[in-house]
Amino acid sequence: DTAVSQTPKYLVTQMGNDKSIKCEQNLGHDTMYWYKQDSKKFLKIMFSYNNKELIINETVPNRFSPKSPDKAHLNLHINSLELGDSAVYFCASSQGWANSYEQYFGPGTRLTVT
Amino acid sequence: AQTVTQSQPEMSVQEAETVTLSCTYDTSESDYYLFWYKQPPSRQMILVIRQEAYKQQNATENRFSVNFQKAAKSFSLKISDSQLGDAAMYFCAIEVTQGGSEKLVFGKGTKLTVNP
Repeated sequence: DTAVSQTPKYLVTQMGNDKSIKCEQNLGHDTMYWYKQDSKKFLKIMFSYNNKELIINETVPNRFSPKSPDKAHLNLHINSLELGDSAVYFCASSQGWANSYEQYFGPGTRLTVT
Repeated sequence: AQTVTQSQPEMSVQEAETVTLSCTYDTSESDYYLFWYKQPPSRQMILVIRQEAYKQQNATENRFSVNFQKAAKSFSLKISDSQLGDAAMYFCAIEVTQGGSEKLVFGKGTKLTVNP
């Protein structure tokens, strides 16, 4: 069973379009995250949610809107896509928000904006 | 703000040899956690090892071990008996608390090549 899954794995789209990436975890974790890995492989957090509540919003443009319909899902919707949005987006989850629990990463979604 | 520095963009090692990847970090916290993640070409992020800052004993996981020097804020990863499957990007990370949630702050990574 896949612990953290993301769909799609690859996404190619044109500038100006709106797209969504879905994430699901079957680990029963309370906290979920979105990370962005740029073309130089640098990973940086975008958002974290705990029990469907937004906790961290790391100065991400408001074209990016995360949505958590339940604590097993955290989707990322991106409006008006720009060339600079091309990256790999990783979803992750962890058991809780205290005393450091391991973060489990999904397989990533490679977004290419043309 | 917490920062993580990996000064070696690329490293190479011969199969069966030992290699050490460097990492330094900066934090004002006294209690924190440090991690090494591996990212093979499949791009899956895999936890290699983790270290609690309050523990003086260095963490070990099979062929992987760390040299944690808290005063120097150094957290290097040693890979013994290197195998071809160890070839990957390795990321050092520190876990920090923000707004009641944890987040990982990553270094820029070290690309490890294993030569047969």
